[in-house]
Amino acid sequence: AQSVSQHNHHVILSEAASLELGCNYSYGGTVNLFWYVQYPGQHLQLLLKYFSGDPLVKGIKGFEAEFIKSKFSFNLRKPSVQWSDTAEYFCAVIRASGGYNKLIFGAGTRLAVHP
Amino acid sequence: EAGVTQFPSHSVIEKGQTVTLRCDPISGHDNLYWYRRVMGKEIKFLLHFVKESKQDESGMPNNRFLAERTGGTYSTLKVQPAELEDSGVYFCASSSYGGGYTFGSGTRLTVV
Repeated sequence: AQSVSQHNHHVILSEAASLELGCNYSYGGTVNLFWYVQYPGQHLQLLLKYFSGDPLVKGIKGFEAEFIKSKFSFNLRKPSVQWSDTAEYFCAVIRASGGYNKLIFGAGTRLAVHP
Repeated sequence: EAGVTQFPSHSVIEKGQTVTLRCDPISGHDNLYWYRRVMGKEIKFLLHFVKESKQDESGMPNNRFLAERTGGTYSTLKVQPAELEDSGVYFCASSSYGGGYTFGSGTRLTVV
């Protein structure tokens, strides 16, 4: 069965530090990949997505992610975090074939950014 | 456009009681999904409607959970009778054909 692993459950950073959140998935076929963010008290929002093409994907708020097919990874990065990035981040995968679009989520990474 | 609306936002019920959660998708979105997050674990798929039809209900935990989407508009998820392990956050999302998901804010269910 498909699964998504997020390596860090909790990350604490100071403002201006660089961020990298790991995400690996297990599925041998073609996938579409997503990062979602949930700010405190808000709904899940899409940060960025990868369907095809350039494996380095730019998202909102300065986030980017790199798809490395050989490693089944889709790590999220941001060069310099801000206090407002404090949130929970979820990696998710959809199988690209068969018209089936059930999202499979990772367990989430809770990020706390201190001023 | 209005987003996906879920209510209630919070519900606290006693074990054995019944609770009904509601989701209003974005108008015109044929696809409606229910997901659940229990105890800080991953968000898990429950089921998927295409209009009023259940496309996939493989994630429904057991027969205490009943989802409906009469008329292909809003959906309800009923838990009857509720058990302690049903506590969690229930998310709804909708999408148009080939479109991205839009999530609601979720309903936090606590069973005591």
